[in-house]
Amino acid sequence: DAGITQSPRHKVTETGTPVTLRCHQTENHRYMYWYRQDPGHGLRLIHYSYGVKDTDKGEVSDGYSVSRSKTEDFLLTLESATSSQTSVYFCAISEWGQDPDTQYFGPGTRLTVL
Amino acid sequence: AQKVTQAQTEISVVEKEDVTLDCVYETRDTTYYLFWYKQPPSGELVFLIRRNSFDEQNEISGRYSWNFQKSTSSFNFTITASQVVDSAVYFCALSEGDDKIIFGKGTRLHILP
Repeated sequence: DAGITQSPRHKVTETGTPVTLRCHQTENHRYMYWYRQDPGHGLRLIHYSYGVKDTDKGEVSDGYSVSRSKTEDFLLTLESATSSQTSVYFCAISEWGQDPDTQYFGPGTRLTVL
Repeated sequence: AQKVTQAQTEISVVEKEDVTLDCVYETRDTTYYLFWYKQPPSGELVFLIRRNSFDEQNEISGRYSWNFQKSTSSFNFTITASQVVDSAVYFCALSEGDDKIIFGKGTRLHILP
């Protein structure tokens, strides 16, 4: 158990509404990631963070923003949700130096945008 | 650019058969890391193994084994005497040490009773 929780676990929202997903870790790991999983695409990186207030874009960052004001929390925001953002979102954590590059995943959030 | 290819989209085998999941990767780096993750029907992603590019030793863990061959850029995963609980989507992944991992699209494995 990597000590990662995601909230909410399920959410249904309407097009155009803002949505924020939360990832919380108890491991004090430096790196945190947000992925989306879609059929036929595997897992794709949206944004990641390498420290408090340090974030960078991933492969599919358009339409998403992130914030990390505390080590333990990494927030993913959809400013104006679209149907194409219907997906399962996974958060992951890792710690460079101890077990470099291995990422451990949260349980996922299923988001449906109507 | 790094890339991971899992050519087998879906595989079905009868319980107790052996099954191999293929993974082919592309990278220009000499130092890199390869991973396998399992995603059972319940949806969580479970880390199985990590291998760095300097360690070509095959690994066995119970019924699971991994065959890493740099000459063919492959990191294949074999399940021996498969069981229904092995039914899952399996992802191969690659990192070049820049704190990001690129995932293959996954292979869905069905173990039939």
